[in-house]
Amino acid sequence: QAVVTQEPSLTVSPGGTVTLTCGSSTGAVTSGHYPSWFQQKPGQAPRTLISDTSNKHSWTPARFSGSLLGGKAALTLSGARPEDEAQYYCLLVYSGDGEVFGGGTKLTVL
Amino acid sequence: EVHLVESGGGLVQPGESLRLSCTGSGFTFSNYWMKWVRQAPGKGLEWVATIYKDGSAEYYVDSVKGRFTISRDNAKSSLYLQMNSLRAEDTAVFYCVVGGNVGGWGQGILVTVSS
Repeated sequence: QAVVTQEPSLTVSPGGTVTLTCGSSTGAVTSGHYPSWFQQKPGQAPRTLISDTSNKHSWTPARFSGSLLGGKAALTLSGARPEDEAQYYCLLVYSGDGEVFGGGTKLTVL
Repeated sequence: EVHLVESGGGLVQPGESLRLSCTGSGFTFSNYWMKWVRQAPGKGLEWVATIYKDGSAEYYVDSVKGRFTISRDNAKSSLYLQMNSLRAEDTAVFYCVVGGNVGGWGQGILVTVSS
């Protein structure tokens, strides 16, 4: 099965903007991979932030957005807040061959 | 509000079996793909299996093929994971997840495989 890559760690200043990316060993990430993004804080279950590349859920803060950027899926956080410090995971669907999570990005707001 | 509640976890010995259950509410269960995701202690998320809305298609991560079976009962809004020939490396918190525009996760259930 494919390998999905994410930045292991990123740091953003409060109020700043940061982009997390999600790449695939099979080539460019497209909308056909239905990229999803999840946030997990210590001791909690993950929650879905973005589905199908860019669709937000009712609980997704407006400062988060999803897109495709340079052959990768991207999660952009604009106006970072201390409560955004968490682990972020992406998930790609490989039609007929299952799904693969990235290794996760630890985001620090400092 | 979407609720997913897992049950059936616990401590088992290597080679034994366990069946996880997940009951969903707050959404039309039969309209959505459902999946199981696990997280080993201190590790990242790992997709385990996905089942189509009517149960007609199933997909598994390579490491569980032939040992785990995902199934569902739409009349009971329930998802299952039958886990056979369990190994120490299957020790994890298992999450029931609904995709699409619902995007809900259960609270997770711990499965420990140890002698």
